Amino acid sequence: EPEVTQTPSHQVTQMGQEVILRCVPISNHLYFYWYRQILGQKVEFLVSFYNNEISEKSEIFDDQFSVERPDGSNFTLKIRSTKLEDSAMYFCASKVRGDTGELFFGEGSRLTVL
Amino acid sequence: KNEVEQSPQNLTAQEGEFITINCSYSVGISALHWLQQHPGGGIVSLFMLSSGKKKHGRLIATINIQEKHSSLHITASHPRDSAVYICAVSLWEGGSQGNLIFGKGTKLSVKP
Repeated sequence: EPEVTQTPSHQVTQMGQEVILRCVPISNHLYFYWYRQILGQKVEFLVSFYNNEISEKSEIFDDQFSVERPDGSNFTLKIRSTKLEDSAMYFCASKVRGDTGELFFGEGSRLTVL
Repeated sequence: KNEVEQSPQNLTAQEGEFITINCSYSVGISALHWLQQHPGGGIVSLFMLSSGKKKHGRLIATINIQEKHSSLHITASHPRDSAVYICAVSLWEGGSQGNLIFGKGTKLSVKP
C-alpha cells in the first residue's frame, strides 16, 4: 500500500540551528501539507502546497518557516533558526484532490530543540 | 472563534463494548475528518464526511450538519482499538481543504 514517508524520525538540534524535515508524498498526489503537534497539545495546521506554491498557511507559519518541492518527489519543511518552542512532532500529509479524498499522513518527525 | 470540541476526553472500555465518541463544531464546514493517532504518534485517516454516515469494518461515523455534530462509533471494541481519536474540520473557505481545525482528541483504552 502506498504511504507517505518522513525523515528523520527524530532530530535533536541546538537553538538557532537550521532544520530540514523531509517528506515523500504518495506519487500521484497533488496536494501536500505540514502539521505540527506540540507534546500534549492538539494538532495544528501549518501550510498547504499545490502546484509548486503555498496555497494556504497559518499564523504559526511565519518567516522562519519555508516549504519547497525541489525535485518533484520530496516535500520539505525548513525551519531557519530553531527556537525552543519549535520542539514538536511534525506531520506531512498528502491527498490526490483538494476538495475531496482521504488525507494520508506520514509517521511524523519529532524535533527536539535544546 | 472556530472550535472543535470532543467528548469524552478519556474513555476506558472493556473488550466487546460499543463505544461512541462525539465531536461538535461551531461554524459551517465543508468536511469533517476522523483520525486515529497510535501510541507511537502516527496518524491514520479513518473517515472524511460531509453528510450522512460511513461505515468501515467495525467503525461507523455519522454527521448531522444542522446540529454541527458528528459521532464515531466502534462496535465490538478490541484492545487494538486503543488509541487517540481526533476529530478535525475543514471550513467553507475553499482552498485545498487541508487547513484543518483539530479537536484535542479522545484517548480510548480498551481492556481485555
